[in-house]
Amino acid sequence: NAGVTQTPKFRVLKTGQSMTLLCAQDMNHEYMYWYRQDPGMGLRLIHYSVGEGTTAKGEVPDGYNVSRLKKQNFLLGLESAAPSQTSVYFCASSYPTEQYFGPGTRLTVT
Amino acid sequence: DAKTTQPPSMDCAEGRAANLPCNHSTISGNEYVYWYRQIHSQGPQYIIHGLKNNETNEMASLIITEDRKSSTLILPHATLRDTAVYYCIVLGFNTNAGKSTFGDGTTLTVKP
Repeated sequence: NAGVTQTPKFRVLKTGQSMTLLCAQDMNHEYMYWYRQDPGMGLRLIHYSVGEGTTAKGEVPDGYNVSRLKKQNFLLGLESAAPSQTSVYFCASSYPTEQYFGPGTRLTVT
Repeated sequence: DAKTTQPPSMDCAEGRAANLPCNHSTISGNEYVYWYRQIHSQGPQYIIHGLKNNETNEMASLIITEDRKSSTLILPHATLRDTAVYYCIVLGFNTNAGKSTFGDGTTLTVKP
């Protein structure tokens, strides 16, 4: 099993550009999550999903959209990137017990 | 969601036990206590979780007080590789679908 994978690993965007981060898991987990982590801080929940076709807002959802069209994939979209969205983004999945995290996507918005 | 409070940093001598405390005074009856750690900028790694009883696995032990308002993660023989940020979080899958707030955690530094 690959576990939780994230694509891409690194990305640099200009302000106003859009992009989609892909999270994939091969563990048949129902729950999936997107977090962001700013330097020196803990993880903050952006959006989460309790099953295919369902999504919900987390702690810091503004500026992001998500979709869960397939059980194994959870997409995070930035429609118009802002410098404040410079961060490391982590995806996680769970059964729903312990969460398994991906390696992260380092995003810089200039 | 129940919040947790952890000291920002702790030191531990290599080979000694590391005891990391966590307060979760607003925990609900069906919420679990989970511990994760994050080494450098990698994704967090699951360590252990518990509801009421003390738990032990190959990585650590978890001691939960009888009133469940606090817990302690114990690394019995800390090594230099245990240097990391440790997060204590509370999760209730029936009540909040597993939403979790990680907080800032405790930075554990294991010294030779």
